[in-house]
Amino acid sequence: EAEVAQSPRYKITEKSQAVAFWCDPISGHATLYWYRQILGQGPELLVQFQDESVVDDSQLPKDRFSAERLKGVDSTLKIQPAELGDSAMYLCASSQETGLNTEAFFGQGTRLTVV
Amino acid sequence: GNSVTQMEGPVTLSEEAFLTINCTYTATGYPSLFWYVQYPGEGLQLLLKATKADDKGSNKGFEATYRKETTSFHLEKGSVQVSDSAVYFCALREREAGNMLTFGGGTRLMVKP
Repeated sequence: EAEVAQSPRYKITEKSQAVAFWCDPISGHATLYWYRQILGQGPELLVQFQDESVVDDSQLPKDRFSAERLKGVDSTLKIQPAELGDSAMYLCASSQETGLNTEAFFGQGTRLTVV
Repeated sequence: GNSVTQMEGPVTLSEEAFLTINCTYTATGYPSLFWYVQYPGEGLQLLLKATKADDKGSNKGFEATYRKETTSFHLEKGSVQVSDSAVYFCALREREAGNMLTFGGGTRLMVKP
């Protein structure tokens, strides 16, 4: 069964260090999303790609976060420098399109702990 | 802007009890509504959805009816099982917001044998 792959599953990093997360969406899915889920809260969209283009990054803290999807397939989310408040689960999702009724498929996430 | 509000958890029930998790939303137009479930250690999975007023989504014994007059999409199940223990997220997509998927804060359900 096709699934969204994320790595690593867990990451511990010291504050002020750089950290990167990787996501491989379901084959053929043009839309890719990165969400941040703080413990006890719902996911919040950080960035949305349509193929290789950013569609929405209005909630991405651009002074320290960056995201790319160079070939329109897999994607990398980077944080530099990491801060204590960045500790959260980072979820990647993909969908075939961005229609009103479209289901988004989620990966298992990367749990980041900044110490 | 859009928002989704869910009842705070955790909700603790005994096996075979009736479940209701409340969800209300704020939207400009006519959103599509979703319930996602997150089992321990796993990613979010779509549980059910409804795309217009009075539609009922259903799956695995769970149901939710799109109520436009009360802007609600409450999740129900007649008889919960231990295996239903998870976190449940209500979400919406609205065309006026670029079809962005917006989530509520989640409700943890714990079912005891």
